[in-house]
Amino acid sequence: AAGVIQSPRHLIKEKRETATLKCYPIPRHDTVYWYQQGPGQDPQFLISFYEKMQSDKGSIPDRFSAQQFSDYHSELNMSSLELGDSALYFCASTSLGAGYSYNEQFFGPGTRLTVL
Amino acid sequence: KNQVEQSPQSLIILEGKNCTLQCNYTVSPFSNLRWYKQDTGRGPVSLTIMTFSENTKSNGRYTATLDADTKQSSLHITASQLSDSASYICVVSAQRSGGSNYKLTFGKGTLLTVNP
Repeated sequence: AAGVIQSPRHLIKEKRETATLKCYPIPRHDTVYWYQQGPGQDPQFLISFYEKMQSDKGSIPDRFSAQQFSDYHSELNMSSLELGDSALYFCASTSLGAGYSYNEQFFGPGTRLTVL
Repeated sequence: KNQVEQSPQSLIILEGKNCTLQCNYTVSPFSNLRWYKQDTGRGPVSLTIMTFSENTKSNGRYTATLDADTKQSSLHITASQLSDSASYICVVSAQRSGGSNYKLTFGKGTLLTVNP
């Protein structure tokens, strides 16, 4: 079965550079979530999109922005990168519009971002 | 404030032994509780998901229990294998107003090490 795809899997950037992370949800999933997981930390919710509209906002810095496109893939844009942005960035998808009683989120493999 | 507390923080057991991981939560309004297995540097993989009316759910050697009255859950692993070494994360979903969006609260995980 198709899973959530994230690219790239690894990314190395310098301070003050920009980075774009991509997430391709499971087919027919309409909702995408972005999480940031620092070393030894639990995932922190950043932002989510439902049907291409921002549905919820967590601890996403102002330097970051995200959007969901017409094909439901999502991109997380990160500017003015800081050392503290080094983390695993996970994308998860679910289908809220399918009428499920709960939204089981399926996580992607993550993008490991290292800021030097 | 919604919180999920897991114990123990880490656990070392011998291959073939059983173990039980604990999760206490203060999330309201409760929607569902899920257990994820996360290998180092990988995305979380769902093991079980339980709604308010479910007391127990099994997935192979994994059995999760839920006591919605005391707001406690446990994950029991039977006949552990070396491949069970991972972080096990308890995640509780709160249903937001409007019913169309869910907020996840992550526990910090229990790091399980299975030794030969």
